[in-house]
Amino acid sequence: DTAVSQTPKYLVTQMGNDKSIKCEQNLGHDTMYWYKQDSKKFLKIMFSYNNKELIINETVPNRFSPKSPDKAHLNLHINSLELGDSAVYFCASSHFGGYNEQFFGPGTRLTVL
Amino acid sequence: QQQVKQSPQSLIVQKGGISIINCAYENTAFDYFPWYQQFPGKGPALLIAIRPDVSEKKEGRFTISFNKSAKQFSLHIMDSQPGDSATYFCAAVPSGSRLTFGEGTQLTVNP
Repeated sequence: DTAVSQTPKYLVTQMGNDKSIKCEQNLGHDTMYWYKQDSKKFLKIMFSYNNKELIINETVPNRFSPKSPDKAHLNLHINSLELGDSAVYFCASSHFGGYNEQFFGPGTRLTVL
Repeated sequence: QQQVKQSPQSLIVQKGGISIINCAYENTAFDYFPWYQQFPGKGPALLIAIRPDVSEKKEGRFTISFNKSAKQFSLHIMDSQPGDSATYFCAAVPSGSRLTFGEGTQLTVNP
């Protein structure tokens, strides 16, 4: 009965590789997000989708490409991985609107060697 | 540019003590102020939230104090317990738009 799930939980890869992270929510929400949490724990929003439409696209390198096949899924593909991409990536979901509680997944720890 | 400034970065409190985390903002369009709690290895989760039409909100041992004129708000954890050890994030939302997080405070409650 997991609300927001992410796979994989850990991802270790070499510089230059391409990788994907998948996210699914079963809460019936219409809005999903990707956040990056760096080593200092700072949480920064990267993208947000509402009803499969991109509504927030922060200043993120275009090596990062989100895709939302439907309202319950949001994936993140990263091309040409760099050392600085190492972080924990969190998926979250909510009903549309900033006043609504965001539910976070368990995170994916990405390590680029 | 950090729109929500949070302090301290880390806090150590003895069991039974009061933990206080402070946040300040500049954007007067902010009208919703949630706090999120994150345990190690987990995602953040909503703890408590306040709107600027009230000066205080209490839920159990957790209280938000809000000072609209000073543009500051704080989280007080009464009778702090080792199980409260986590990272706490204040956040702010302008007019129902996106959430902006503070830098986070790592709280350690010693037994």
